[in-house]
Amino acid sequence: ETGVTQSPTHLIKTRGQQVTLRCSSQSGHNTVSWYQQALGQGPQFIFQYYREEENGRGNFPPRFSGLQFPNYSSELNVNALELDDSALYLCASSPDRQGYGYTFGSGTRLTVV
Amino acid sequence: QKEVEQNSGPLSVPEGAIASLNCTYSDRGSQSFFWYRQYSGKSPELIMFIYSNGDKEDGRFTAQLNKASQYVSLLIRDSQPSDSATYLCAVVPSGGYNKLIFGAGTRLAVHP
Repeated sequence: ETGVTQSPTHLIKTRGQQVTLRCSSQSGHNTVSWYQQALGQGPQFIFQYYREEENGRGNFPPRFSGLQFPNYSSELNVNALELDDSALYLCASSPDRQGYGYTFGSGTRLTVV
Repeated sequence: QKEVEQNSGPLSVPEGAIASLNCTYSDRGSQSFFWYRQYSGKSPELIMFIYSNGDKEDGRFTAQLNKASQYVSLLIRDSQPSDSATYLCAVVPSGGYNKLIFGAGTRLAVHP
């Protein structure tokens, strides 16, 4: 059984650019959630996808968007990058929509310069 | 008031001692509570979850929940230097079955 994998591991982007982060969910998990963790803070919920549909969204602007594919993998897209978008982006998968049994991926460290 | 509050620490304990980590939450309707451990530069890993009032034990870890006081704690017995990490408390809010609300975490340092 494979865990949650995220790519890339690290990324440096320039302010104003766009970025796409990728996540492969754990085998058997149909729900993917994305979190942003700024330095020294706890993770903050961005949104969740369940069976290819958005299933809840946190307090993030529309320039944060996502997709889930039929194999339950997912993408997080961020447009018009700002310096404050610099953070660790975590993907978590779970076997259903409830927030139980979250398995986090190793994360993508995004630096915006 | 933050939804989930934790003392940022650092909490320093000697090896072999009991470390006590505390968390309070504001949403009285919250039903599910989680403790994650996060080593520096790594992603959070689930240690324990608890749903009912009282204690839940798993090896050296004990989670305690008091819904009336809106308080959840994590005890680590026989603390080891390898337990040195940031411990994140997370709550599923009422009606929010689809997300976790995290505290900012407590940094634990276990010294030999």
